[in-house]
Amino acid sequence: NAGVMQNPRHLVRRRGQEARLRCSPMKGHSHVYWYRQLPEEGLKFMVYLQKENIIDESGMPKERFSAEFPKEGPSILRIQQVVRGDSAAYFCASSPGTGIEAFFGQGTRLTVV
Amino acid sequence: EDQVTQSPEALRLQEGESSSLNCSYTVSGLRGLFWYRQDPGKGPEFLFTLYSAGEEKEKERLKATLTKKESFLHITAPKPEDSATYLCAVQVPQGAQKLVFGQGTRLTINP
Repeated sequence: NAGVMQNPRHLVRRRGQEARLRCSPMKGHSHVYWYRQLPEEGLKFMVYLQKENIIDESGMPKERFSAEFPKEGPSILRIQQVVRGDSAAYFCASSPGTGIEAFFGQGTRLTVV
Repeated sequence: EDQVTQSPEALRLQEGESSSLNCSYTVSGLRGLFWYRQDPGKGPEFLFTLYSAGEEKEKERLKATLTKKESFLHITAPKPEDSATYLCAVQVPQGAQKLVFGQGTRLTINP
């Protein structure tokens, strides 16, 4: 049973470009979460999704950031017009249901130059 | 506001020297407290979930305990491979599944 798969592992974007981060949850998991880890900071919740629904996006910046988890395919975290402050490690986690431990992927390290 | 504070920020031990890491939390209605291990450049690896005060869980050299205000991760006779950052997180009850993480304790075990 493969774990949570994230790609790419590393992503370099110039300021103003778009970044697309992908996350395939573990088999049988229908709940996906995105977290961001800024340098020297802890993990911060961004968004919680189930298939075709955004359940909680309280941690997502209001502008430039969006997330989806379509019926088919991976969950996507999209960052438009990236700025240097978006440079961070973005982690995806999945769980089979509510109140159950989430398992994390290896992360995507975004560098904005 | 829900808050998780871990101490110490960093800890250096000699191989075999037992110690404890602390996680204190302020949250209205704890649904669960989670411990993760994170190696450099990797994602957090799940260790334990604790749900109620008095609960304890063990895995190899690690034991996690929970009280009403804090959790401890006890490390017995650690080995160099136990070196990592240990993260504590609480699950908040307000309508969502999000975890609130502490800053982590960076543990180094010297051979």
